[in-house]
Amino acid sequence: DTGVSQDPRHKITKRGQNVTFRCDPISEHNRLYWYRQTLGQGPEFLTYFQNEAQLEKSRLLSDRFSAERPKGSFSTLEIQRTEQGDSAMYLCASSFLAGDISYNEQFFGPGTRLTVL
Amino acid sequence: GNSVTQMEGPVTLSEEAFLTINCTYTATGYPSLFWYVQYPGEGLQLLLKATKADDKGSNKGFEATYRKETTSFHLEKGSVQVSDSAVYFCALNGVDMRFGAGTRLTVKP
Repeated sequence: DTGVSQDPRHKITKRGQNVTFRCDPISEHNRLYWYRQTLGQGPEFLTYFQNEAQLEKSRLLSDRFSAERPKGSFSTLEIQRTEQGDSAMYLCASSFLAGDISYNEQFFGPGTRLTVL
Repeated sequence: GNSVTQMEGPVTLSEEAFLTINCTYTATGYPSLFWYVQYPGEGLQLLLKATKADDKGSNKGFEATYRKETTSFHLEKGSVQVSDSAVYFCALNGVDMRFGAGTRLTVKP
């Protein structure tokens, strides 16, 4: 299967702990995105990478959140000192952008569901 | 900024009924428009897309037409099936993808 994969699929943690999620994009894709989805809402953009460069971060991404894509392949999203409000589904998506940005079709992974107790 | 407003659900229909889920957008420039579907326990899957005005996207019996004059991209299907039960998201593409809040569709036999 060459789709986007995410690990773990589920994570339960206690408030104040740090968590890290991993995303493996489709191999030839140069763009990688992170989104957060809370119950009953659509995904909200967090950040994206073009290759290894992090090009944009949403204001939703507080300083407790950090994302990396060190070699332009997989990416990690770390949340430090988790809070109950961080409980959500964290989605990763990837795309190949080679020109017109309006045609940037994104492929989504299954998500990591985080529960902060 | 760019945004999408989607018809709120939930929507419950009987099998073979006609489906419309409304979606309107606000955007600068000429974004592409998308409908994604999310089945229970799964990630988002692209259902259909349209990249310019008057384009019609279609897939699995679903259709949506990019209407620039009404800034709309309504999703339609002539005859829904139980297997169409899912959450449907309208989205537009700029630097990042902007999603509507989603519409939960339940189709009963």
